[in-house]
Amino acid sequence: DVQMTQSPSSLSASVGDRVTITCRASQSISSYLNWYQQKPGKAPNLLIYSASNLQSGVPSRFSGSGSGTGFTLSISSLQPEDFATYYCQETYSVSWTFGQGTKVEI
Amino acid sequence: QVQLVQSGAEVKKPGASVKVSCKASGYTFSNYGIIWVRQAAGQGLEWMGWVNPKSGNTGYAQKFQGRVTMTRNTSIRTAYMELSSLRFEDTAVYYCARVDHASGGITDYWGQGTLVTVSS
Repeated sequence: DVQMTQSPSSLSASVGDRVTITCRASQSISSYLNWYQQKPGKAPNLLIYSASNLQSGVPSRFSGSGSGTGFTLSISSLQPEDFATYYCQETYSVSWTFGQGTKVEI
Repeated sequence: QVQLVQSGAEVKKPGASVKVSCKASGYTFSNYGIIWVRQAAGQGLEWMGWVNPKSGNTGYAQKFQGRVTMTRNTSIRTAYMELSSLRFEDTAVYYCARVDHASGGITDYWGQGTLVTVSS
């Protein structure tokens, strides 16, 4: 199975900050990488698909990059509604493994 | 609008089975896969497997092989996830989600989640 490792596991930031979250795959997954945002008690919400494509309806302050084994999710100017947990997920292998999550706190 | 509506919360004893349903509306059911993901309290997301509503083909995470069965009933646009031989550690919220395999795995709509509690 492909292992997905996110870093950091948590971070503290302020409104207006630029935030970057990293996801590393244990083997090449090309660009088969999704990013989700999850708020407490809610289902995950797709932000980015295929590593760098912004899902419809998602604010343009979110962006994704990378391919192969290294990926990043960036939030250009953190907004109050962005405080949440973020997960990467590979969709390359037969088992679509998630990263362990990154909690973005105030 | 696209909706996935899951069945209600369940309480089961260890060793029992649970079957969670996921009713789809607002799109052509057979054109998208359904995946199942679970999340224990305070923990991360765990991918369990998928079912192809058109063919009935399935794929399961190794961890759940032999214990999970994913099926669908196309006439009522509903997917099912059955987990057997329940253990305390299976207590979690179980989610279904729509996936477009052809796009590389766009998973854009999710059910509201079903809490399964395993308790003696």
